[in-house]
Amino acid sequence: DAGVTQSPTHLIKTRGQQVTLRCSPISGHKSVSWYQQVLGQGPQFIFQYYEKEERGRGNFPDRFSARQFPNYSSELNVNALLLGDSALYLCASSLDPGGRSPLHFGNGTRLTVT
Amino acid sequence: QKEVEQNSGPLSVPEGAIASLNCTYSDRGSQSFFWYRQYSGKSPELIMFIYSNGDKEDGRFTAQLNKASQYVSLLIRDSQPSDSATYLCAVDYNQGGKLIFGQGTELSVKP
Repeated sequence: DAGVTQSPTHLIKTRGQQVTLRCSPISGHKSVSWYQQVLGQGPQFIFQYYEKEERGRGNFPDRFSARQFPNYSSELNVNALLLGDSALYLCASSLDPGGRSPLHFGNGTRLTVT
Repeated sequence: QKEVEQNSGPLSVPEGAIASLNCTYSDRGSQSFFWYRQYSGKSPELIMFIYSNGDKEDGRFTAQLNKASQYVSLLIRDSQPSDSATYLCAVDYNQGGKLIFGQGTELSVKP
C-alpha cells in the first residue's frame, strides 16, 4: 500500500510569495495533520483535519491555512512568505483524529524562502 | 505550556550495546506516547507507541512508560550502525491526535 504522499518534494520561493503544499493520505485514513519542522527541532503542529473539518490549529499566524477534500487529501497554504517559514513541512495521516491512532508521516516538502 | 523534553545528545554507543533514550513530559494527564526515528534529511518514521504503564516490546525495541514520574523511554538492544538517527519522543496530551514533540536525541552507533 502507498504511504502518505506529498508534493512537491522541494520548493524555493521568495519573501512575500504564496505557496501551496499537497498531501494524499494512506488509503483508508480520514485524518490529515500538518507539521512544520525547522532544522534541529522536533515537528511542530500546524493543523489537523478530519472529514473535511478543522479539528485543531497550532500556534501559527493566519498566513497559514489548510483544507481537506472529499477524497481526504489536503492542501496547506502559506501566504506572504517570510524567511522564517523555511522548513520541512510534514503531512501525516491517521485512521481517525483520536490519540490512539498513530500518525504516519509523508516524506515532506522542503520549503526554502529567499 | 505543555512540554516534552529530551536530551539532544549526541548519544554514542558501540555496536551491540543497549541504547537508552529518555523523555519527560509536563502534563500529568497525557495518555498516548510515541517514538519516531528520523534519519538525516528524511521524515519521521513510527517505531513504537505505548498507552499503559510498564514495558512494551517489539523486536529489538522496548518502550517504557511511567506516568507517575511522567517519564517515557526507548531501549534499543543489540544496537546497529543502521540505528544511527535522531529519535523523537511525542506526546498526545488530550487524545485529540495533536502531538507535541521533543527536540529529538541524536544516536550514533559506532561499529
